[in-house]
This record gives sequence, structure tokens and C-alpha cells, in this order.
Amino acid sequence: AQTIHQWPVAEIKAVGSPLSLGCTIKGKSSPNLYWYWQATGGTLQQLFYSITVGQVESVVQLNLSASRPKDDQFILSTEKLLLSHSGFYLCAFRDWDYEQYFGPGTRLTVL
Amino acid sequence: QQKVQQSPESLSVPEGGMASFNCTSSDRNFQYFWWYRQHSGEGPKALMSIFSDGDKKEGRFTAHLNKASLHVSLHIRDSQPSDSALYFCAAREDDTNAYKVIFGKGTHLHVLP
Repeated sequence: AQTIHQWPVAEIKAVGSPLSLGCTIKGKSSPNLYWYWQATGGTLQQLFYSITVGQVESVVQLNLSASRPKDDQFILSTEKLLLSHSGFYLCAFRDWDYEQYFGPGTRLTVL
Repeated sequence: QQKVQQSPESLSVPEGGMASFNCTSSDRNFQYFWWYRQHSGEGPKALMSIFSDGDKKEGRFTAHLNKASLHVSLHIRDSQPSDSALYFCAAREDDTNAYKVIFGKGTHLHVLP
């Protein structure tokens, strides 16, 4: 069975500080991976997707970047956090029929 | 304009009642739909997909798609308190751009014991 692990579970960071969030997929070879952002109780905004190692496509510009250093790993980062970055970050992979399987998420609070 | 629009924003039903959600796409390229459910503090989970006109039933859940009007609905019969969650409609474009998935704003469901 495929599993998604996200780290950390939660972060409290200061405006202007750097950020790195991680996601690991187990049990699925060469997955298509996605990062989503969700404001509290809000809709899911797709941020990035990656089809293969080293290749990442940006869907929306939010002063964030993403990288895929390994087949099973997806990293979301920024050098300078903004207040507007607060929210719930979700990693997901795509199944054969395009269904999205989400991880447990990381809650980010920027103060 | 939001490409996937959901209604209502919030819904309260008594335990054992029927909950109904609506979703409309404003873009004819978005013809493949899913319903997702998200409990508070968790990642969303897919409930069901619907790609063809008509009804699709899975247990207490029934989805209906009308491709001509780009309208999809979800009905939950015999609603339970554990069904209380945020429900999303999601759609994707045709195969040439299959990586982009658009989610609606969601409907908050409250099932009252």
C-alpha cells in the first residue's frame, strides 16, 4: 500500500524566516507529485506538480519554490516567509485515474 | 471567475437525513469530476469519481453528472455525525493538461445528532 509522510506536522515561524517542508511517498514507483495550499477552512490551491525527479512545474506564484531531489521525495521551500504563507500544506500523488491521494498535511503559522 | 463552483457553502442536516451538494464547471474543458471529503485537521480523501453522464452509487453516496450542463451533484443518504466534514468538488481538464486539478471552495456539512 502507498503511504505519504509529511514533515513537520506543524511549524510556527517568524515573517522573513526560511521554510522547508518535506513529503515522502512509499510504495509507489515514479509518482506524479503535487503540493497544495489551503487557507483555514478554504479551498485547495494547487501550487506545484512534478512528473519526474528534478522536474517541477509551478501552477501559481506565491513566493514559494519546490524541488524533487529523489523519486519519492518532494520539498517545498522559501527563503523569506510572508504572513500570507500561513495555512495548511498538503502533498499528494496522482493515481492511474488521476485521483489525488493526500498526505496528512503540515500546519504553518507565520507570525 | 472560479472554474469550479460549489453550493451551498454550508449545510446542516439531521442524523439519518439526506445531504445534497452541487457543483458546476464554467469551463467545458473540465469534464472529469471527483468528490473529496476532508475532516478537520486531516488531508482530503476521495469519495468517488464520476466521468460519465448519469448516476453513480457507492453505498450511501450517489453522484450525478450532467455533461451538457457541466453540473455534478453528490447525495448522502442516512447521514451520520461522522459525515460532518468539508466536501470538495474537483475537476480536471482533458488529457493534454491532466496535471492540473481545480477544486471548488467546498461545502461544510454539519450532521446534527
